[in-house]
Parts: sequence; structure tokens; C-alpha cells
Amino acid sequence: GAVVSQHPSWVICKSGTSVKIECRSLDFQATTMFWYRQFPKQSLMLMATSNEGSKATYEQGVEKDKFLINHASLTLSTLTVTSAHPEDSSFYICSALSGRDYNEQFFGPGTRLTVL
Amino acid sequence: GQNIDQPTEMTATEGAIVQINCTYQTSGFNGLFWYQQHAGEAPTFLSYNVLDGLEEKGRFSSFLSRSKGYSYLLLKELQMKDSASYLCAAMDSNYQLIWGAGTKLIIKP
Repeated sequence: GAVVSQHPSWVICKSGTSVKIECRSLDFQATTMFWYRQFPKQSLMLMATSNEGSKATYEQGVEKDKFLINHASLTLSTLTVTSAHPEDSSFYICSALSGRDYNEQFFGPGTRLTVL
Repeated sequence: GQNIDQPTEMTATEGAIVQINCTYQTSGFNGLFWYQQHAGEAPTFLSYNVLDGLEEKGRFSSFLSRSKGYSYLLLKELQMKDSASYLCAAMDSNYQLIWGAGTKLIIKP
């Protein structure tokens, strides 16, 4: 199956700093990527839909100025958490949409962010 | 509105069979997915159904009834490693996945 990577896999930062998370589709081109956040013992929550070459579409309640998304190429989308605070600590997961077979989403391994 | 319902938690015995049900309501429908998620890890794909009926893949099978907005995941010959959360997700007309909260499956020896 298709492979999606995320970097870093975990990060610890101080409150007020910015953190960038990369999501790459390794063996296919993904015009659409999704960013999710998952708090402990809760389901995935879609934050935004990232389309290559255009602005991301954010879900209601997600601050676009705080969670900056850039999908500059068909294989890379980045999520930058700006001025991170402890409440932003979460598991961030990206997925890439593959239309080859049946529009399956392939997930990255996730990035665990801890803001001190 | 869009909604996915599945049980919060289920318990089963090693070697047995368990069925995890899911009902969904979405704006348009482009298929029903089941994912397995172990604690601290990203979800992994298990199955996809877009037509009515049963899809079998080894120990796991998935069923879909579009008219009833209903799906189930059937796990046979349960193993301890099957202890995980199982997420049901329906893809809507915009190709977005609408996620259930997940069913935590506990396997006992």
C-alpha cells in the first residue's frame, strides 16, 4: 500500500514557540491531504483539508492563523502550530487521499506534541 | 447532520468471534471504512465497503447495508493482539471521512 511519513514523530517545546510538522506521501502523489488531531481516548478530529496549490479548508472552531497549513507540492504538506500552548498538546496525524483505487486515506504515523 | 454511532467498548475471549456494529448518517456516501488503532499509534486500514454485502479478508470481515445505513466488522479467532480501538468512518460526498468515536475491544485470555 501507499506510504505516508510524518516528521517529527514526537516533539517537546516551550510555550510560545512554533512547531512545524511535515507530512509526505512517499510513493504516490496526493492532491489532497488531511490534518487530524486526537486527544487521549477520543476519536480523530479533522482540523483541515489541504489541497495542493490552494488554501487549506479549516473545520469550524479551528484557528487558521494558529494552525498554518502549506501544501506546496503533490507530496508534501506542512502544519505549523504557532505560539503553541499546553492545550495544543495532542497527537497530530496527517493522511493523504489516494484516488487510485477507491479514495482511501493513507495515514502517517502521527506526531505527538507536548507543550510545556 | 452527519453522525456515526458505534459502541464505546466491547469485551471478548481469545479464540472467539466478535461483531462490532456501526450506523451512519452522512451527506452523500462514498464508502464505509474500518480502521484499527492501537494506543499511541495512527489508525491502520482494515476494510472498505461501498456496495452492499460482506467482504472477507482473512480473520476480518466487513458488512455493509446502504439502505439501513449500517455496517459491522466481524473478527474471528480473536488473538490478544486484536485488543485495540476499532474506528468506523463513512466517506461523504466531499470525500471527507466522518469518524465514529471508536470501539475499544478488550480481549481476555
